Amino acid sequence: GDSVTQMEGPVTLSEEAFLTINCTYTATGYPSLFWYVQYPGEGLQLLLKATKADDKGSNKGFEATYRKETTSFHLEKGSVQVSDSAVYFCALTRETSGSRLTFGEGTQLTVNP
Amino acid sequence: DGGITQSPKYLFRKEGQNVTLSCEQNLNHDAMYWYRQDPGQGLRLIYYSQIVNDFQKGDIAEGYSVSREKKESFPLTVTSAQKNPTAFYLCASSPGLYNSPLHFGNGTRLTVT
Repeated sequence: GDSVTQMEGPVTLSEEAFLTINCTYTATGYPSLFWYVQYPGEGLQLLLKATKADDKGSNKGFEATYRKETTSFHLEKGSVQVSDSAVYFCALTRETSGSRLTFGEGTQLTVNP
Repeated sequence: DGGITQSPKYLFRKEGQNVTLSCEQNLNHDAMYWYRQDPGQGLRLIYYSQIVNDFQKGDIAEGYSVSREKKESFPLTVTSAQKNPTAFYLCASSPGLYNSPLHFGNGTRLTVT
């Protein structure tokens, strides 16, 4: 079945550091890929998405590129802020799943001033 | 503002009691979902509904029940048969189309003692 694997957390960075959170997936066909973010005590919000190979999703300074050859969708940000502290989830869906998502385990990011 | 409302935010129950978690959306979305979130395990799908009066089991449906009598409402009942009910429960909705993002509520934290 489909699965998503994220790098183990938690991740702790200093403000203005470079962020990478790794995400790899297993799925048949051509899934769409997503990153969601969860701030403390809240539900998840869509951060960015990519629907086909080589697409780059971007939002709020975050980027991720859909790499079919490595089945990856790593999340990056050039300079993190304290306000980026949250849990980040990688997820996928396939056309036969409608909008049903398969999520990774989540990666806790803490940014210190 | 359109959105998803989950209530209550915190819920406490004694073991052996059934409890119902509320989820209401005013986004006119066809599809609704219930996820369970546990530390280090990401989100796991309990039940989902693509249309009124129809719903399907997700990956961990045992010990849970749902109904979808109205488009805007998708209540989840945690029954006494659920062996480990203490968790954070998230409701989500979407238009139901492929690639459409999920919109999440802020969750209900259920504690059973």
